[in-house]
Amino acid sequence: QVQLQESGPGLVKPSETLSLTCTVSGGSISSYYWSWIRQPPGKGLEWIAYISYSGSTNYSPSLKSRVTISVDTSKNQFSLKLSSVTAADTAVYYCARVGSMTWDYWGQGTLVTVSS
Amino acid sequence: QTVVTQEPSLTVSPGGTVTLTCASSTGAVTSGYYPNWFQQKPGQAPRALIYSTSNKHSWTPARFSGSLLGGKAALTLSGVQPEDEAEYYCLLYYGGAYVFGTGTKVTVL
Repeated sequence: QVQLQESGPGLVKPSETLSLTCTVSGGSISSYYWSWIRQPPGKGLEWIAYISYSGSTNYSPSLKSRVTISVDTSKNQFSLKLSSVTAADTAVYYCARVGSMTWDYWGQGTLVTVSS
Repeated sequence: QTVVTQEPSLTVSPGGTVTLTCASSTGAVTSGYYPNWFQQKPGQAPRALIYSTSNKHSWTPARFSGSLLGGKAALTLSGVQPEDEAEYYCLLYYGGAYVFGTGTKVTVL
């Protein structure tokens, strides 16, 4: 059974960089795409970016200038960096596996609050 | 900016049938948008239900089905159970980028 687990600081100061890691267990990170999604409190889901196991990426146009996604196949992990954060970036951040046009496994999510 | 619109809320009686739709601001939704559907209950991560318009995951109950309907993606719940009360999101693929729908709150009453 594939499992994904997000990790990283739960509190980030305004203007700083949010950094999260998703660890994949129960399966290899190879042969799939891996995505980050966020959900502000009480609001809907927003796709942020995805990366393939080989490192090809695609970003949401609205966040592209601030987002970097990377993969470490040796650790079965992929990561998200979001720069210059503001209170509007406060959200639950999820990671998910993307197969052949199928999004199947998701992490439980981690709440990141942007506050001084 | 592309917007994917869903009904804000729908109410259905136990045992009844309800259809949720997913519309794109760019025009008709086709199979090329590879519609995915997710269920989310309060405090939980989204759970995948449907992929590529109408394909079910191994864990998807038989009462959930996906289709294209009148230029939109659609999710139909037949024989609704109390545990189906949740928020439902669609997801569309735009040639390299993804956009989630606005979400539909389904109440079973």
